[in-house]
Amino acid sequence: EVQLLESGGDWVQPGGSLRLSCAASGFMFSRYDMSWVRQAPGKGLEWVSAISGSGGTTYYADSVRGRFTISRDTSRNTLYLQMNGLRVEDTAVYYCAKDVGFGVVSCFDLWGQGTLVTVSS
Amino acid sequence: DIVMTQSPDSLAVSLGERATINCKSSQSILSSSNNKNNLAWYQQKPGQSPKLLIYWASARESGIPDRFSGSGSGTDFTLTISSLQAEDVAVYYCQQYYTTPGTFGQGTKVEIK
Repeated sequence: EVQLLESGGDWVQPGGSLRLSCAASGFMFSRYDMSWVRQAPGKGLEWVSAISGSGGTTYYADSVRGRFTISRDTSRNTLYLQMNGLRVEDTAVYYCAKDVGFGVVSCFDLWGQGTLVTVSS
Repeated sequence: DIVMTQSPDSLAVSLGERATINCKSSQSILSSSNNKNNLAWYQQKPGQSPKLLIYWASARESGIPDRFSGSGSGTDFTLTISSLQAEDVAVYYCQQYYTTPGTFGQGTKVEIK
């Protein structure tokens, strides 16, 4: 079955760290760029970060650059998001998403179910 | 960053009637390399992840009913649901993928009247 399964969401205090994981199955993981997209409670969608299929190129939203690091392990078919220096405004459901593959920037044809990150004191 | 603005924020449509959602980009998202508009539409039902409906502004994703259609070019785009069904109640988002970051509209909530 083609799917993405996120994990790692939790409650954390401001300034803390979390690592999110996204396990991919049912498709050639290494062929596709992957992204993280988040959704604050009751709000819209915000692209966070992307990584090329090889893992050699990464992109970040200005709001997370320098605090978040995206990576992937093709041997484990897993995408990661290391989040440091978390802020209250990072509270959101974090989705991993598979790029359709149109180029550097793409749309997303497969989404995980999301994992909730809550940053609060 | 390219700003995507959807209108209206919400709309209520009777079953079987047409629903129309607009999306405007702050600059053209028409790619000169392939003459395609880098715009996608997603549907997000309550408690679910987003689902891709339309890409290249008008190409329907596999498995999407043909009552969903996309149109427009340059900076102005439309998603039309030709005959609203109960299962279409959702929030709909447009997204440009012309340049990084791939920005989304704020969403349009579609309900049954």
